[in-house]
Amino acid sequence: AQRVTQPEKLLSVFKGAPVELKCNYSYSGSPELFWYVQYSRQRLQLLLRHISRESIKGFTADLNKGETSFHLKKPFAQEEDSAMYYCALRQTLRQLTFGSGTQLTVLP
Amino acid sequence: NAGVMQNPRHLVRRRGQEARLRCSPMKGHSHVYWYRQLPEEGLKFMVYLQKENIIDESGMPKERFSAEFPKEGPSILRIQQVVRGDSAAYFCASSPPSRPNTEAFFGQGTRLTVV
Repeated sequence: AQRVTQPEKLLSVFKGAPVELKCNYSYSGSPELFWYVQYSRQRLQLLLRHISRESIKGFTADLNKGETSFHLKKPFAQEEDSAMYYCALRQTLRQLTFGSGTQLTVLP
Repeated sequence: NAGVMQNPRHLVRRRGQEARLRCSPMKGHSHVYWYRQLPEEGLKFMVYLQKENIIDESGMPKERFSAEFPKEGPSILRIQQVVRGDSAAYFCASSPPSRPNTEAFFGQGTRLTVV
């Protein structure tokens, strides 16, 4: 069965410091991985997906099939990055499996 | 385009009552997904619907829960005879017909509290 694990519920870093939000998955097929973000009082929105290999708001994520990981990284965190981040896996064309989320707080 | 609209934002029900959660997808979107988020957990898939069709309900509890997406009007998630364990945030997402689940846009959710 597919599973997404985000081991850190809370993560705090200082402004300007690098940040890495961990995501590991288990899935027998070829996965599609996503990162979603939820800013305070806003709806969940797509941040990036591994297929497009893009950088959004300075964030990148590389799919490592050997380690079954899809960690989200940013070299210099900003206060406006403070939010809840969810890693998600798509196992069919229909539904997403989400991790439990990591609350990132960027301190001034 | 107002985005995916869910109402109510907050819903309080007593045990045994019925809860109705509404989701209006984005304009032009014909695919709707419902997810549930229990406290301290991630979002869990419940059901995937297209207009007048349930495509995948593998995440729906076997009893008391039902969903519909009629030809006209919003998608409805109905929970009958609610129990305390139904207290959760329920999120709806929609996507366009040409790219199902690739561009899923989420609503702000309905927080159901069963007292």
